[in-house]
Amino acid sequence: QVQLVQSGAEVKKPGASVRVSCKASGYNFANYDINWVRQATGHGLEWMGWMNPNSGYTDYAQKFQGRVTMTRDISTDTAYMELSSLTSEDTAVYYCAREISANDRGWFDPWGQGTLVTVS
Amino acid sequence: SYELTQPPSVSVSLGQMARITCSGDTLPKQYAYWYQKKPGQVPVLVIYKDNERPSGIPERFSGSSSGTTVTLTISGVQAEDEADYYCLSADQSRAFLVFGGGTKLTVL
Repeated sequence: QVQLVQSGAEVKKPGASVRVSCKASGYNFANYDINWVRQATGHGLEWMGWMNPNSGYTDYAQKFQGRVTMTRDISTDTAYMELSSLTSEDTAVYYCAREISANDRGWFDPWGQGTLVTVS
Repeated sequence: SYELTQPPSVSVSLGQMARITCSGDTLPKQYAYWYQKKPGQVPVLVIYKDNERPSGIPERFSGSSSGTTVTLTISGVQAEDEADYYCLSADQSRAFLVFGGGTKLTVL
């Protein structure tokens, strides 16, 4: 079945960087954009950006530009999200999600299980 | 930057109808998607393309659109519907997405 499996929880110190992985299975990884979303405790869902796994093209939310990098490894069907210069405000659960169609922006299915990143 | 506006909270009695709105300038031109989020769980899509219901989502969930506002309606609210609901849509360029601030649905 179509599935996204994310890497495990991370604890980082302020100023450090974190990289979260998202391994796809059950479909052609190159054919569907991957989006990243986060949710800090007590806060809402926040869209971070998206990547086209075929071309590597990315767009990042303005809030994260300069601090986030989304990449992929086609050979292992894995997407990565790296966030740098971490502060306590980056403590959140980070999700990857497959976008069903580039023509229908916002239709995400499935989602990864989430990765808790704690900055402390 | 583009914003989608939702009421922070909606309360409804068990079995009654709940309506959650989402307002944004580009909603007349961009589809909206509604996600249900419960604590400790992955978001679940309950409405796509303004008013389409994915398979497996109960019929009591419906969506509508009028001008710059889209609405998620839950008819005959059940206890298990208590959750946070988020609208999601693209900006005019379609390059960037934004979530609404979320609405906490409380079932009384």
